[in-house]
Amino acid sequence: GAGVSQSPSNKVTEKGKDVELRCDPISGHTALYWYRQSLGQGLEFLIYFQGNSAPDKSGLPSDRFSAERTGGSVSTLTIQRTQQEDSAVYLCASSLRQGSYRNTIYFGEGSWLTVV
Amino acid sequence: QQQVKQSPQSLIVQKGGISIINCAYENTAFDYFPWYQQFPGKGPALLIAIRPDVSEKKEGRFTISFNKSAKQFSLHIMDSQPGDSATYFCAASLSGGYNKLIFGAGTRLAVHP
Repeated sequence: GAGVSQSPSNKVTEKGKDVELRCDPISGHTALYWYRQSLGQGLEFLIYFQGNSAPDKSGLPSDRFSAERTGGSVSTLTIQRTQQEDSAVYLCASSLRQGSYRNTIYFGEGSWLTVV
Repeated sequence: QQQVKQSPQSLIVQKGGISIINCAYENTAFDYFPWYQQFPGKGPALLIAIRPDVSEKKEGRFTISFNKSAKQFSLHIMDSQPGDSATYFCAASLSGGYNKLIFGAGTRLAVHP
């Protein structure tokens, strides 16, 4: 596809359940990011992947959150034992590999997660 | 030190007016300052960006003004239109490394006809 694709677009889950959110970056983009946006709030960095380098996990809020990227393309963000405070929009983004200038980061439309 | 502070939280402007959104940062290692526009139900999209070696960048009705000594930058939307009604986020990125963006809290702009 032409843009960053995320699924599901909406997910309602019960507290304590695990959820998986999927991101398909723009073809050829080697950098992939996950951000979280709570209602009416800014974007909170979660994790970054670049090629075969070790991911930057510094933004993950707890050990219930994890992410992987298979084959340098598709990424899955997993939230275990979901809590109500995990309710947010989870945004995936991608960009070309960092060069001598800043490459535009393109965002998907997000996965809206509601924990009830 | 990693924060980017954005104001105002919300802004109402009449059609044809000028919308001004301000951001401030502390970390002088930031070297890239983009603005993103987000419509309801959509992901943020890059609007305009500036590097600290210039004081102003203009693209159509959108202008970034950058004050390196004050560690502030602002977005000006000239001749604001109802279609500009959206949430605007400023962001900053550290020198070296990769594009990890630190975002401000956002400004919800409403342009009334």
